[in-house]
Amino acid sequence: SQTIHQWPATLVQPVGSPLSLECTVEGTSNPNLYWYRQAAGRGLQLLFYSVGIGQISSEVPQNLSASRPQDRQFILSSKKLLLSDSGFYLCAWSPDRAGIVDGYTFGSGTRLTVV
Amino acid sequence: AQSVSQHNHHVILSEAASLELGCNYSYGGTVNLFWYVQYPGQHLQLLLKYFSGDPLVKGIKGFEAEFIKSKFSFNLRKPSVQWSDTAEYFCAVNAMDSSYKLIFGSGTRLLVRP
Repeated sequence: SQTIHQWPATLVQPVGSPLSLECTVEGTSNPNLYWYRQAAGRGLQLLFYSVGIGQISSEVPQNLSASRPQDRQFILSSKKLLLSDSGFYLCAWSPDRAGIVDGYTFGSGTRLTVV
Repeated sequence: AQSVSQHNHHVILSEAASLELGCNYSYGGTVNLFWYVQYPGQHLQLLLKYFSGDPLVKGIKGFEAEFIKSKFSFNLRKPSVQWSDTAEYFCAVNAMDSSYKLIFGSGTRLLVRP
């Protein structure tokens, strides 16, 4: 069966420090991968998605970047964190096919606090 | 661009009350529709989905939702809520011409009082 792993679960980082959040999927190949940020009262905002290795689409201008160095690995990064980057970050995957008939499967999330 | 509106941000009900959470989307083409639930301290989980056929779909734990295409709506219902239904509920839309993306609403926090 497919599983998704996301780490770390919580992270406290100072302003200006770098960031690397990792997400990996097991039990499937060529998944579509997504990074979302969840903010209270604002739902889930799609940040990046990837349909293949090295293919990244950015949905919103921001201080963050994403990379997909391997088929089932998706990384969210920043060179210098801002206070506004604090939030709850969720990774998700869906099967590689047109249309999201079955929805996404979400990871457990990372609570990032920038201080 | 597609958008999803959930008009009720906070709902408080007593056990056994009926529930209806509103969801409207803005997109004129073919859509797949979803409701997700996030129980306190847990992952987002798929509650139910619609992609074709009967517009009244049934999900887990007694929830159902009705797709009304003319109203661009996909409201979530449950005839009798339980304390364990306390959670945050998210509506989401996949527009078929943006086939890789789910767009989420802002969520509705439901508190069920015993």
